[in-house]
Amino acid sequence: EVQLVESGGGLVQPGGSLRLSCAASGFIFSNTWMSWVRQAPGKGLEWVGRIKSKAGGGTTAYAAPVKDRFTISRDDSKNTLYLQMNSLKTEDTAVYYCTTVSTTATTAHFDSWGPGTLVTVSS
Amino acid sequence: SYELTQPLSVSVALGQTARVSCGGNNIESKNVHWYQQKPGQAPVLVIYRDSNRPSGIPERFSGSNSGNTATLTISRAQAGDEADYYCQVWDSNTAYVFGTGTKVTVL
Repeated sequence: EVQLVESGGGLVQPGGSLRLSCAASGFIFSNTWMSWVRQAPGKGLEWVGRIKSKAGGGTTAYAAPVKDRFTISRDDSKNTLYLQMNSLKTEDTAVYYCTTVSTTATTAHFDSWGPGTLVTVSS
Repeated sequence: SYELTQPLSVSVALGQTARVSCGGNNIESKNVHWYQQKPGQAPVLVIYRDSNRPSGIPERFSGSNSGNTATLTISRAQAGDEADYYCQVWDSNTAYVFGTGTKVTVL
């Protein structure tokens, strides 16, 4: 059974940094593309970024609102995904979900989701 | 950038059929995926690539995609189907795009 468990959320001041982790189990993590999706309180879902598997090139892509501030990385030896968030803004306040990504040549979707971790950016 | 539009809310009588629309420019040229999110919980994939159900998702959930509208259909609606539903596509310019979300209420 696929399990994804996020950690590292909390309260941080504007301009601060935070690193989220996602511990994965129940599937071959190293072969799997991974992603972060967030949801601001009372709002809809917003894609944050994704990282390909090493075999797929290991490259990352980010949504415009977080580009150049957030960095996704992975440690396949630990089956763990990371999200380094710098220069945080109040609008980054959200529940952050770790997801697996299933891809074909023309599309991609999010198969499995963790329970999420809340990040609050406030002074 | 590519945008997906959903109705804010849909109501359905218990045991009847609910249809949730997802509008986008020539959306039929894309694969549409659907997620169910109950209050306080993470989203769950209920339909992928227009009309495929993951294992464990009841046959009552089905999807279609034509023209500028994709549709999630919930047959024989149950109280447990009350949730927010989001459509999602992958676009070569915008990457992963979510719809605005629809709250389904079972009366």
